[in-house]
Amino acid sequence: NAGVTQTPKFRVLKTGQSMTLLCAQDMNHEYMYWYRQDPGMGLRLIHYSVGEGTTAKGEVPDGYNVSRLKKQNFLLGLESAAPSQTSVYFCASSFPSGISYEQYFGPGTRLTVT
Amino acid sequence: KQEVTQIPAALSVPEGENLVLNCSFTDSAIYNLQWFRQDPGKGLTSLLLIQSSQREQTSGRLNASLDKSSGRSTLYIAASQPGDSATYLCAVVGHGYSGGGADGLTFGKGTHLIIQP
Repeated sequence: NAGVTQTPKFRVLKTGQSMTLLCAQDMNHEYMYWYRQDPGMGLRLIHYSVGEGTTAKGEVPDGYNVSRLKKQNFLLGLESAAPSQTSVYFCASSFPSGISYEQYFGPGTRLTVT
Repeated sequence: KQEVTQIPAALSVPEGENLVLNCSFTDSAIYNLQWFRQDPGKGLTSLLLIQSSQREQTSGRLNASLDKSSGRSTLYIAASQPGDSATYLCAVVGHGYSGGGADGLTFGKGTHLIIQP
């Protein structure tokens, strides 16, 4: 049981390049999330999904797109990377157990855009 | 919009002391509150989750309390050890976009804790 995994762990992009971050969970969780963590700003929600085929915007969605084609995977795409997207990206998942909604986090992807 | 504040931003204490970390939130309509630990360059480890109907949760030397009506939570660490040095994050799940507990967490900026040997 690997929990929540993220690919890749590190990446350096040039401005204007595109990439996709992959999040996978093996806990059969319904809900999945993408956050970014920046110094002095804390963690902020980018997009989330409440089930396969559904996505919704979070607090800072601009410049990102997401897809949830399979229940276990949640993809975060950057179509044209900008230096402002340099950050550490965390994926999380949760399952509605009673009223718990405890979220489990992946190890993060450190992205640098030059 | 929910806002979460953590005080103090940084704390340095000698080994063995009991200590309290504080968290406050502006909207009391929450589903739950989670405390996390983050080591430098690492991911988030969930320490305790308190559901909105609960007042406290305990795990080993950690005890977290929740006063939803006043928008406050505290994390109590007993008999601190150098291995407790990390950043501690408080986060809440509200009733926002989806109307249910599926909404993302709103995080505080954390308390950076150093336990001196």
